[in-house]
Amino acid sequence: AQKITQTQPGMFVQEKEAVTLDCTYDTSDPSYGLFWYKQPSSGEMIFLIYQGSYDQQNATEGRYSLNFQKARKSANLVISASQLGDSAMYFCAMRAPGGGADGLTFGKGTHLIIQP
Amino acid sequence: DGGITQSPKYLFRKEGQNVTLSCEQNLNHDAMYWYRQDPGQGLRLIYYSQIVNDFQKGDIAEGYSVSREKKESFPLTVTSAQKNPTAFYLCASSMDRAIVNQPQHFGDGTRLSIL
Repeated sequence: AQKITQTQPGMFVQEKEAVTLDCTYDTSDPSYGLFWYKQPSSGEMIFLIYQGSYDQQNATEGRYSLNFQKARKSANLVISASQLGDSAMYFCAMRAPGGGADGLTFGKGTHLIIQP
Repeated sequence: DGGITQSPKYLFRKEGQNVTLSCEQNLNHDAMYWYRQDPGQGLRLIYYSQIVNDFQKGDIAEGYSVSREKKESFPLTVTSAQKNPTAFYLCASSMDRAIVNQPQHFGDGTRLSIL
């Protein structure tokens, strides 16, 4: 069975500081994908960044980067130079082709609040 | 602009009533999904469809039904058998379910409440 664990229910961070959101995962599939989504209070899910299990380098997308440590089964999201608009729920998710029901397996999320 | 449209944004259901949530996409995606989100929780998969006229149960399909008569549309019916339907429902689509690196794109969601 696939599982995503996000151990930080909530975080307060000062504006302009870097933020690391933790994510650990569990799967027996050798091929899998890891995704991070942002969910503002309005509810929509916004795709941020993707990391594949065979990717040699950590993914980066603008201010977002992924600290992928395969042996530890962790895929932490790093947000550099945080902004007030980064305040939202953040979800780590995984997709593995052999995981039974298709679709993404989500963690419970981290509520990030950026303070001025 | 391409995207996923969910309607209505808010929906109220009376006891014993079936209600249908609409999901339409113009991204030309093959795969479509329905998720349920409860407060303080992540998303859980209700149903998914890989192709027209085919759909599969997800992790929490009991009390729900779907259809996929057109590629663009994947409506979800919350039946009276679903005893705790109050939740936020999100529809998603992706280009090809067989490709692991395809992100799922989400609609803005429908918030369902019981009267």
